[in-house]
Amino acid sequence: NFMLTQPHSVSESPGKTITISCTGSSGSIASNFVQWYQQRPGSAPTTLIYEDYKRPSGVSDRFSGSIDTSSNSASLTISGLKTEDEADYYCQSYDNNNWVFGGGTKLTVL
Amino acid sequence: EVQLVESGGVVVQFGGSLRLSCTASGFIFDDFTMHWVRQVPGNGLEWVSHVSWDGTRTYYADSVKGRFTISRDNTKNSLHLEMNSLRSEDTAFYYCVKGGQMDWGQGTLVTVSS
Repeated sequence: NFMLTQPHSVSESPGKTITISCTGSSGSIASNFVQWYQQRPGSAPTTLIYEDYKRPSGVSDRFSGSIDTSSNSASLTISGLKTEDEADYYCQSYDNNNWVFGGGTKLTVL
Repeated sequence: EVQLVESGGVVVQFGGSLRLSCTASGFIFDDFTMHWVRQVPGNGLEWVSHVSWDGTRTYYADSVKGRFTISRDNTKNSLHLEMNSLRSEDTAFYYCVKGGQMDWGQGTLVTVSS
């Protein structure tokens, strides 16, 4: 079965830039779209990036998505880190008609 | 503005049944696939099921196949999840998600007690 692997946790200082990776276990990560979700404590997930790099209206341009076929990975980059960015981040793609989620990455901004 | 409001989450006994609903507004409902995603408190996200725009095609995670049934009523802008033979591992928040830009509801909590 296809799996997506994310780092369990990352941390960085306010104002800095951080990148969270999401690596596909098989096949080409570029074969299917990747989405990224943010989940703050006690809240439902919200979509930051859909279809690899697109941002829903209202999502800050500090958030960007990309695909790297050489490492078979998708990445979420957050620039100008703010304390409010502290949250769990999940990538999601597809395995045939099923959704597959990464295990989630806890971002600490300190 | 897209709004998705889940309902139906309650405490139910092991082996019992439950029907979750999601009422949608702010978009053309039958233009989009619809999904259910769940999350055990403190754990990650798990996709449960999705249904095509017209309700003719349905897909399920192996963990719920044969026990859960997804359906939609495009005349009422509503999505449903019929859950049978409930187990303790089905205890989770259940989220309704709209395809396309992937808008999420606020979730409804299902607790299966033994």
